[in-house]
Amino acid sequence: DIVLTQSPATLSVTPGESVSLSCRASQGITTSIHWYQQKSNESPRLLIKFASQSISGIPSRFSGSGSGTDFTLSINRVESEDFSVYYCQQSYSLPLTFGSGTKLEIK
Amino acid sequence: EVQLVESGGGLVQPGRSLKLSCAASGFTFSDYNMAWVRQAPKKGLEWVATISYDVSSTYYRDSVKGRFTISRDNAKSTLYLQMDSLRSEDTATYYCARHPGSRFDSWGQGVMVTVSS
Repeated sequence: DIVLTQSPATLSVTPGESVSLSCRASQGITTSIHWYQQKSNESPRLLIKFASQSISGIPSRFSGSGSGTDFTLSINRVESEDFSVYYCQQSYSLPLTFGSGTKLEIK
Repeated sequence: EVQLVESGGGLVQPGRSLKLSCAASGFTFSDYNMAWVRQAPKKGLEWVATISYDVSSTYYRDSVKGRFTISRDNAKSTLYLQMDSLRSEDTATYYCARHPGSRFDSWGQGVMVTVSS
């Protein structure tokens, strides 16, 4: 199975700061990575597909980059509604796997 | 607007069965692969099973293979998950998700399944 390691586990930031969240795959997965946001007591929401492709309706402050084993989700100028948990997911091979998540919290 | 509404969850004893349903609307159901994803309490997301748009293919994670069956009725725009021989480790919120290109682009609100005696 492909293991996705997300870091840090928790990130404390002040609104207005820009942040980068990391997702590292246990083997090369080209750009077969997708990012999700899950707010407390809500369902996940797709933010970015295939490492860097934007999703309709998602604010432009969210962007993704990377290929191979190292991937990054960037949030430009964090807003209050962005404080939640972020997951990466690989679609390179079965079983589909998720990272353990990064919690973005208010400092 | 895409809507996915799960139902059928609840409390069940270990070894018993439960069947989840997911009613889809707002898109052409028969055009999309569909999936179930679960989340144990206070834990992360875990893919459970996938079914192709035309019912020709199904895929499962190893821990549910032989116990869970994913199916769909395209005429009714409904996805199902038959769960047999349930274990305590199957306790989770189960999400129905639209599943193009092996990503999950729309999610239901989730349904809780608790396996306990």
